[in-house]
Amino acid sequence: EAGVVQSPRYKIIEKKQPVAFWCNPISGHNTLYWYLQNLGQGPELLIRYENEEAVDDSQLPKDRFSAERLKGVDSTLKIQPAELGDSAVYLCASSSDRGYNEQFFGPGTRLTVL
Amino acid sequence: SQQGEEDPQALSIQEGENATMNCSYKTSINNLQWYRQNSGRGLVHLILIRSNEREKHSGRLRVTLDTSKKSSSLLITASRAADTASYFCATAQRVGQGAQKLVFGQGTRLTINP
Repeated sequence: EAGVVQSPRYKIIEKKQPVAFWCNPISGHNTLYWYLQNLGQGPELLIRYENEEAVDDSQLPKDRFSAERLKGVDSTLKIQPAELGDSAVYLCASSSDRGYNEQFFGPGTRLTVL
Repeated sequence: SQQGEEDPQALSIQEGENATMNCSYKTSINNLQWYRQNSGRGLVHLILIRSNEREKHSGRLRVTLDTSKKSSSLLITASRAADTASYFCATAQRVGQGAQKLVFGQGTRLTINP
């Protein structure tokens, strides 16, 4: 079974530029999460989807971040415009049971904003 | 903000020794999970212990949970070089619509010396 797929793995951009990250969850997993992980820290939830509905986006900085999960499968996280402080690893995870058990994580996208 | 506090932040031991990591949290939980993250990779689920359980084993892993003290420990016995990684505890908190979300600690960086 394929795991959670994320692309790109690495992205370097200049500040004020837009950037987008893509995630393909494990087949059949209805719940999808985007996390932000700063260096030396644990992941912090940005947004959680149940199918195509964003059910928890309270931690998403909505002035510059947006996300979508069309058709309840793949998801895209966008930052526009990027700031220096956005440099971090962006992790996508999925689960099959609304989060009652384990979450499966992708390898992450490491973003560097110059 | 992260709920879990992990101790120690870093641990270095010799191969073959046991490694113990501790996690404390603040609010009531449904379950507590431990994840491992190798350098530059995504998180991998190790073990889940529910709030009504006190101890759980999986291979060389032993997890305890004390809900009265709001704390958990992860013991890795007979450590191997491949156990070198960061270990995160994550508390599962109930959110709306019958789901739950994970709140991660800052992690313990474990180094196994050959």
